[in-house]
Amino acid sequence: GAGVSQSPSNKVTEKGKDVELRCDPISGHTALYWYRQSLGQGLEFLIYFQGNSAPDKSGLPSDRFSAERTGGSVSTLTIQRTQQEDSAVYLCASSPEGNIQYFGAGTRLSVL
Amino acid sequence: AQSVTQPDIHITVSEGASLELRCNYSYGATPYLFWYVQSPGQGLQLLLKYFSGDTLVQGIKGFEAEFKRSQSSFNLRKPSVHWSDAAEYFCAGGGSWGKFQFGAGTQVVVTP
Repeated sequence: GAGVSQSPSNKVTEKGKDVELRCDPISGHTALYWYRQSLGQGLEFLIYFQGNSAPDKSGLPSDRFSAERTGGSVSTLTIQRTQQEDSAVYLCASSPEGNIQYFGAGTRLSVL
Repeated sequence: AQSVTQPDIHITVSEGASLELRCNYSYGATPYLFWYVQSPGQGLQLLLKYFSGDTLVQGIKGFEAEFKRSQSSFNLRKPSVHWSDAAEYFCAGGGSWGKFQFGAGTQVVVTP
């Protein structure tokens, strides 16, 4: 079956521009996660959606970062006024119940 | 604070030799524990999980892990490493379903 799909796979942008990263979770998965992985670093939790509950935004590093999940399915992570330190791989994962996570291949963001 | 720690950043092992990756956790109750593997340019793939029951857990690709409550550890092992096992390995855990913490990862290099 289809796995977690992320687009684009690579994104190059200029400092100060806004970017949108998309995640299509596995159908039927109620939980969705966003992580950031900087070069040589582990996974930094950003945000967690579970069903219709209010999302856990405790990992968002600044108010330039936001995420939505429409209709309990597709999610978009938006970074406004990008900075060079935002350069990283952004990983999305979905989970059927909030336990085992299935990861997408990630979006590599480069801010010039 | 609840967390997962991987003490080894980098491990080099000869092909055919055994491998053990360390993971320590700090959760009060019986934790939910996972090992994931990440190949270059890929997302994370689940190797195995521990929720309860038998403390020796078998996973995919010939990996196993042992939950030791007395040592707060969940170490990953493989008896004989193949060149294709070169990757980054992440331990993850949590005290309840939902949001989990990931360790910083251990990079495994396999030499001929």
